[in-house]
Amino acid sequence: GPKVLQIPSHQIIDMGQMVTLNCDPVSNHLYFYWYKQILGQQMEFLVNFYNGKVMEKSKLFKDQFSVERPDGSYFTLKIQPTALEDSAVYFCASSLHWGSAETLYFGSGTRLTVL
Amino acid sequence: QQQVRQSPQSLTVWEGETAILNCSYENSAFDYFPWYQQFPGEGPALLIAIRSVSDKKEDGRFTIFFNKREKKLSLHITDSQPGDSATYFCAASTNTNKVVFGTGTRLQVLP
Repeated sequence: GPKVLQIPSHQIIDMGQMVTLNCDPVSNHLYFYWYKQILGQQMEFLVNFYNGKVMEKSKLFKDQFSVERPDGSYFTLKIQPTALEDSAVYFCASSLHWGSAETLYFGSGTRLTVL
Repeated sequence: QQQVRQSPQSLTVWEGETAILNCSYENSAFDYFPWYQQFPGEGPALLIAIRSVSDKKEDGRFTIFFNKREKKLSLHITDSQPGDSATYFCAASTNTNKVVFGTGTRLQVLP
């Protein structure tokens, strides 16, 4: 099936540093998402993105977070500066269309550890 | 506020048995309910989904039963196999792509 690739799979950084998580979505997909999963807990919506703009974001999407997809390259999540509570697995997803019944395809996640 | 709840948190069944995973929700505006299957170290993958206009959706060994009045649904896995061992997330969405996930049920199928 369609694949979403996330790079890197693991990232360890010191608190206060900047980190960029990269996502290579399914090639013809137009809508992109980030979810956060703390170990053993549910997936929580962060943000969705289309045509260069954030469509919707949750309260978890703090001011230190930003997303972009410059020139059709990676869809990125940047955290600057990082905090200890940002430690989690971040999942990228993409979909072809917009709508409640649209299937989201998820990557394998990037495990972020903030020390 | 937890919009989508799942029970049990973990479930163990023997190979060949039927596993029943429960889900409930609060927001009446939810109209689409996908179930995602997640193996360790991987992202969740869509398993089966149902729209709120239906009360049952079947796909092989996987069946969703949906009760709109009670805002409850369940996933039944018949003839459970060890390969079904995973975490199952009930999710819900409205007319946007903001999919809300439940807390998950960790299923273990013993051979």
